[in-house]
Amino acid sequence: AQSVTQLDSQVPVFEEAPVELRCNYSSSVSVYLFWYVQYPNQGLQLLLKYLSGSTLVKGINGFEAEFNKSQTSFHLRKPSVHISDTAEYFCAVKDGRGNEKLTFGTGTRLTIIP
Amino acid sequence: DVKVTQSSRYLVKRTGEKVFLECVQDMDHENMFWYRQDPGLGLRLIYFSYDVKMKEKGDIPEGYSVSREKKERFSLILESASTNQTSMYLCASARGASLYNEQFFGPGTRLTVL
Repeated sequence: AQSVTQLDSQVPVFEEAPVELRCNYSSSVSVYLFWYVQYPNQGLQLLLKYLSGSTLVKGINGFEAEFNKSQTSFHLRKPSVHISDTAEYFCAVKDGRGNEKLTFGTGTRLTIIP
Repeated sequence: DVKVTQSSRYLVKRTGEKVFLECVQDMDHENMFWYRQDPGLGLRLIYFSYDVKMKEKGDIPEGYSVSREKKERFSLILESASTNQTSMYLCASARGASLYNEQFFGPGTRLTVL
């Protein structure tokens, strides 16, 4: 069975500073990886996904993530954050065996300090 | 744009009541999902459906049932609500037949059981 670990439950960052949100996964088969964002009082929306090919994936709102197979990681980064990035961020994994289920991490709450 | 709607944003029920949470999607998606979201636990899959009248248990199905009589509608049923079912419930839908398809989420229903 696959699992996802988001070690940081809360990350405070000053506005215009860079940020990295960490995600590690475990799976015995190939995986597809996703980052979702949840703005206050809203549902989740997809930020970016890694399916295959280039290990650096660019998403919406200036976010990017890098797939590292040897370290089983898929960390999310943004070079300069904005107040509007305040949200909860979820990493998720889907295995490559045709299973439609997504396994989510416990989330990281990103707070931007003006 | 894909739209996933949930019947209520906020719901308050009493212990022992039968509760129906409704979800409707307008993009002819084959797959639909129900999650519950709790602080520190992330999203956990309750049930999902990959076709009309088809359902599969997720990770935490106990105390819940589902119904999918039409392709666009997926209902979550709490037969006898209990206080430990107080949570945020999120519905999602996805196109079937491809591992790459992202899930689209509704805004959520915050259920309080007194």
